[in-house]
Amino acid sequence: QTVVTQEPSFSVSPGGTVTLTCGLSSGSVSTSYYPSWYQQTPGQAPRTLIYSTNTRSSGVPDRFSGSILGNKAALTITGAQADDESDYYCVLYMGSGSWVFGGGTKLTVL
Amino acid sequence: QVQLVESGGGLVKPGGSLRLSCAASGFTFSDYYMSWIRQAPGKGLEWVSYISSSGSTIYYADSVKGRFTISRDNAKNSLYLQMNSLRAEDTAVYYCARGTRGLRFDYWGQGTLVTVSS
Repeated sequence: QTVVTQEPSFSVSPGGTVTLTCGLSSGSVSTSYYPSWYQQTPGQAPRTLIYSTNTRSSGVPDRFSGSILGNKAALTITGAQADDESDYYCVLYMGSGSWVFGGGTKLTVL
Repeated sequence: QVQLVESGGGLVKPGGSLRLSCAASGFTFSDYYMSWIRQAPGKGLEWVSYISSSGSTIYYADSVKGRFTISRDNAKNSLYLQMNSLRAEDTAVYYCARGTRGLRFDYWGQGTLVTVSS
């Protein structure tokens, strides 16, 4: 069974830079998995930040960027702001119309 | 504007059934594939099922295969999830989500809560 791994939690100072990662329990993440990143605040539906590895969704500030770093997908937030404090989920497309979400990273800005 | 509105959630006993609906508006529903995605209380997101724009291709997560059935009615701009043989571990908020290019989900509903408990 494929497991998508994310850091359970991360902390960043206001104005700082943080990189969240998204890996596979077995193997490397590549662009072929079309990694996407979603932001979710409590009680709200997820919001798309990044798709196809590094394409920002409409209206997403350019302080959010996506990439492949080594064998993982990565979401980098540059110049973190207080309202970036959220849960962040990556999801990988596994083919045949199926996706697997990571467990999510709870980001604290303090 | 694009809207997805889920309904049909509620409390059901283990082994019971429930049918969720998702009413779509603000876009040409028949042009988009759709998925159901769920989130157990305090937990992460889990993709549940996919249906192509025409309804001809369907996939399920292993955790629901054989118990859940996804369908759509493009004439009614609606997506459905028939859930049978429900288990406690199916307790979650169920979101319908629109799929689009880049294999992403660009619009989500607000979700409907399904609670499976005796």
